[in-house]
Amino acid sequence: SQTIHQWPATLVQPVGSPLSLECTVEGTSNPNLYWYRQAAGRGLQLLFYSVGIGQISSEVPQNLSASRPQDRQFILSSKKLLLSDSGFYLCAWSSSGRGFDTEAFFGQGTRLTVV
Amino acid sequence: RKEVEQDPGPFNVPEGATVAFNCTYSNSASQSFFWYRQDCRKEPKLLMSVYSSGNEDGRFTAQLNRASQYISLLIRDSKLSDSATYLCVVSSSASKIIFGSGTRLSIRP
Repeated sequence: SQTIHQWPATLVQPVGSPLSLECTVEGTSNPNLYWYRQAAGRGLQLLFYSVGIGQISSEVPQNLSASRPQDRQFILSSKKLLLSDSGFYLCAWSSSGRGFDTEAFFGQGTRLTVV
Repeated sequence: RKEVEQDPGPFNVPEGATVAFNCTYSNSASQSFFWYRQDCRKEPKLLMSVYSSGNEDGRFTAQLNRASQYISLLIRDSKLSDSATYLCVVSSSASKIIFGSGTRLSIRP
């Protein structure tokens, strides 16, 4: 069965520090991968998605970047965190290939607080 | 205009009531549609997919109107455990999955 791992679960980082959040998927190949952010009391904002290794689509220009160095690994990074980067970061995967996508399956999320 | 729009609520209804949520989407090329449920401080989880012919899963009924670019979710005989945020989700042909901002539902005894 497929599983998705995301870590850490919680993170407190000072303003100006770098960030690296990692997400890995097991049990499937060539998944679509996603990073979302959810501010307190708000909806999920799509940040990046990837349909293959090295292919990254950015939805919102901001202080973050994403990379997909391996088929089932998706990394969210920042060189210098801002207070506004605080939020609940969620990694997800879906499968494709039959002309439509399956639903997205989520990791448990990382709650980031920038202080 | 947002790609997926929902009434944020909150909806506060008594146990046993029927409640309906609506959602509209802007991309006519969208291909897949879903409803998710999110509990407080948890990750979203799939409630049900939405098919063109409409589909039902127990007390939950989802409908899709492609011509109007409109999706709905109906919950019958609501339970206290139905209290959550319900997210409308749309996937495009480019594998981009967009979530609505969610509708908060609170069921009171």
